[in-house]
Amino acid sequence: GQNIDQPTEMTATEGAIVQINCTYQTSGFNGLFWYQQHAGEAPTFLSYNVLDGLEEKGRFSSFLSRSKGYSYLLLKELQMKDSASYLCAAPFTGTASKLTFGTGTRLQVTL
Amino acid sequence: NAGVTQTPKFRVLKTGQSMTLLCAQDMNHEYMYWYRQDPGMGLRLIHYSVGEGTTAKGEVPDGYNVSRLKKQNFLLGLESAAPSQTSVYFCASKSGGNQPQHFGDGTRLSIL
Repeated sequence: GQNIDQPTEMTATEGAIVQINCTYQTSGFNGLFWYQQHAGEAPTFLSYNVLDGLEEKGRFSSFLSRSKGYSYLLLKELQMKDSASYLCAAPFTGTASKLTFGTGTRLQVTL
Repeated sequence: NAGVTQTPKFRVLKTGQSMTLLCAQDMNHEYMYWYRQDPGMGLRLIHYSVGEGTTAKGEVPDGYNVSRLKKQNFLLGLESAAPSQTSVYFCASKSGGNQPQHFGDGTRLSIL
């Protein structure tokens, strides 16, 4: 599979900006996914990066550096509904058929 | 468009009982996956399928079997349930390549 590391928990204030980091093995790299999962619900797709750089999608942006094995998810203008777990996922080395998921970063947005 | 549907949503079993979890997708996706999610361990791949009639082992296949007789359905079987298999099970599907996976709502399984 892959070794994926991301922080376990983060807390941020409503209206603020938060950055959730993810590191992974670089060999055989074939793209990196971010998913959002609210408590008790299914993961939902947020973003996919295969090239270096920042991709913006409304309040959410995702960054990738392939040479450093590093990605981050940037959430702007935080809202209470953004309280959720954010999962980083990368393909198994050498294949795009299956993903390895990180353990997820649980984000708590406070007033 | 229902997407990915899992049945049942909840189930309680006794140790040694068997059961089958059903996953159905209506998006004509080639790839289907079964994961389990446990606290602090993230999503772990049990088995997957790259097309009708094919199956392959994931990271944690022991104690589970799968079948993909029809393209739209992916069944996960527990032949003799054990307490260690208490978990939330998610099914997912994707069309191919680097497309994102779409997840069902999950099955919460407790084994006593």
